[in-house]
Formats: sequence, C-alpha cells, structure tokens
Amino acid sequence: QITLTQQAESLWVSPGEKVSITCRASQSLLYTDGKHYLSWYQQRPGQTTKALIYHASIRTDGVPTRFIGSGSGTEFTLSIEDVQPEDIALYYCLQTLKKPSFGGGTKLELK
Amino acid sequence: AVQLVESGGGLVQPGKSLKLSCSASGFTFSSYGMHWIRQAPGKGLDWVAYISSSSGTVYADAVKERFTISRDNAKNTLYLQLNSLKSEDTAIYYCARGYNWGDWFAYWGQGTLVTVSS
Repeated sequence: QITLTQQAESLWVSPGEKVSITCRASQSLLYTDGKHYLSWYQQRPGQTTKALIYHASIRTDGVPTRFIGSGSGTEFTLSIEDVQPEDIALYYCLQTLKKPSFGGGTKLELK
Repeated sequence: AVQLVESGGGLVQPGKSLKLSCSASGFTFSSYGMHWIRQAPGKGLDWVAYISSSSGTVYADAVKERFTISRDNAKNTLYLQLNSLKSEDTAIYYCARGYNWGDWFAYWGQGTLVTVSS
C-alpha cells in the first residue's frame, strides 16, 4: 500500500500568479520502465473529474501549457503558472504503481 | 467524444445490495480496463476496483469481500455489485477509463450517489 500526502489542504492564489501543489509518496513511484506512475486530476463542481498530467510530467490532450508536472522518486509537484479563474478547483494526485491510491486533495481558492 | 454515464445509485438500508452501471460510448469499450472510484461526502477520492479488458479484477481491501466489478462488452457497460452495504459505503461512485493496469484514469463519469442509511 502506497500513501500519498498532499500537505496543503488549501492554497490561496490571485489570478495571474503561480502556484505549486506538492504530493509526497511513501515509496518511490519509479518503475523499471523508467516511468513514474503518478498522475494529477482536477475536480470542479458540476464537471467531470479531469486528468491533467500522467507519468509525472506529461500533459493530457488539451490541457493548457500553464499546467506543469514535475518531480521524481517520492516528491512530485503540480505547478500552475498564470492562474486563471477557471483553475479554482480541487486537485488530487494518484499513484498507480501498486493498487491505486489518491492524495488527500488540495483546494485552490481565490485570495 | 468519450462519455461515461453512471446510474443505479440511491438510498439503501444497511446490509442490503445495490448494482451500479456505467454506460460507455465514444471509444472501443472492450479494449480498455475500467475502474470504480468513490468519494464520501466532503471527502477525498478512494479507489474501489479495476477490471481489465480480459475481465481480470483487482479490489481495494476495504471492499473485496463485498463488491464485485464486472463488464458486458456487448452492451458497452461496466457494473459494480455492492453487497452487505455499510454506512461507510455512502459516497458518490465514479467510473473511469484506464487502459492497462497501472495506467492513469483518462476519463471519468459524473458519478452516482449511494446513500446507506436506515
């Protein structure tokens, strides 16, 4: 069982700023194929949950370039540059190296 | 476009059963592994179960003796049979498209609410 910890339950940001959301895993998410099995998701009220990033740093189709995934081993970050009002949402990390588990979520709020 | 639509949720008494469905469209359903994930009111996401394209299954420890995931490729439908329901199973249940075991959850449905209460 792998535990993911998103330290910040909430982050406050103004439009145009940059924000970083961190996710820490209880063990390395690097597999023998050289890929990290860590993905990021956005949850907005009234919309389906959206996959943003997979394998730690690859954006899914149509995701704006202001969403940047980074990190390796056990430490991962989702950065959002030039935050837009529509980015106000809940963000979750997910590991799929073993039985899937999610981080606790980080709520992005407007200052 | 990929679309996943869950149904079958509702109010059920503790100890009873319920069967959820997830109707898929916009992709070749039979080629993809599928997941169920749940979210208790005001809480985070919790993975429940996975079924591969060849119908191999994996369950979260919390549900593996009570829930059964299945699929009908002819109907493009994913199922989750929930037995011996407990109050802690109250949640929105989402289906999501994976691919192989280990892949990210590329598409999600809007969810169906299951409330377990007497």
